[in-house]
Amino acid sequence: DQQVKQNSPSLSVQEGRISILNCDYTNSMFDYFLWYKKYPAEGPTFLISISSIKDKNEDGRFTVFLNKSAKHLSLHIVPSQPGDSAVYFCAASGRSMDSNYQLIWGAGTKLIIKP
Amino acid sequence: DTGVSQDPRHKITKRGQNVTFRCDPISEHNRLYWYRQTLGQGPEFLTYFQNEAQLEKSRLLSDRFSAERPKGSFSTLEIQRTEQGDSAMYLCASSLRGNEQFFGPGTRLTVL
Repeated sequence: DQQVKQNSPSLSVQEGRISILNCDYTNSMFDYFLWYKKYPAEGPTFLISISSIKDKNEDGRFTVFLNKSAKHLSLHIVPSQPGDSAVYFCAASGRSMDSNYQLIWGAGTKLIIKP
Repeated sequence: DTGVSQDPRHKITKRGQNVTFRCDPISEHNRLYWYRQTLGQGPEFLTYFQNEAQLEKSRLLSDRFSAERPKGSFSTLEIQRTEQGDSAMYLCASSLRGNEQFFGPGTRLTVL
């Protein structure tokens, strides 16, 4: 049973435009969500996170939105740059359910930024 | 470089052989995690250490797998009697506060 789902395996966006990556989750005990970016042959790199007490968190070109009632979060990248081309993973954890902060991951979305 | 490091980066082995991977976490991080990632999937949790104590092991971690973190510093992951299904990227991560985990570059294992 996949608790974190990224339903779009890939997304292609024109350089300079907004990239929107989506993530859905099923476990209402999740209270912390993270986005990671991964280049080929490298480990995931932490991008941005959001706690369930917030509905938005912004860091430069990256903004994460959380809709708890819909169990949905999204990552907005604006403006998109060629270096943003990578696989983006959504991950979730629940402090109240698991003190080890184990991350549950989606399958990833490959973002391609076209020049 | 003060990030998480892993060694080796690539390992090719024959079925039935034993392999050992090493992870050096960020020095002040007391939490260390091992994950496994196969193509087209997100990482899957394998095991977790807080300092030198191994506090949780996934059901994915069969008895052929063992992990240690002596003295709460570096960690090793050993796979005995490797099988072709063990071929994957093995990722190590460390953290201080728990939620934000910082990953190493991974060890890609190929079992022939």
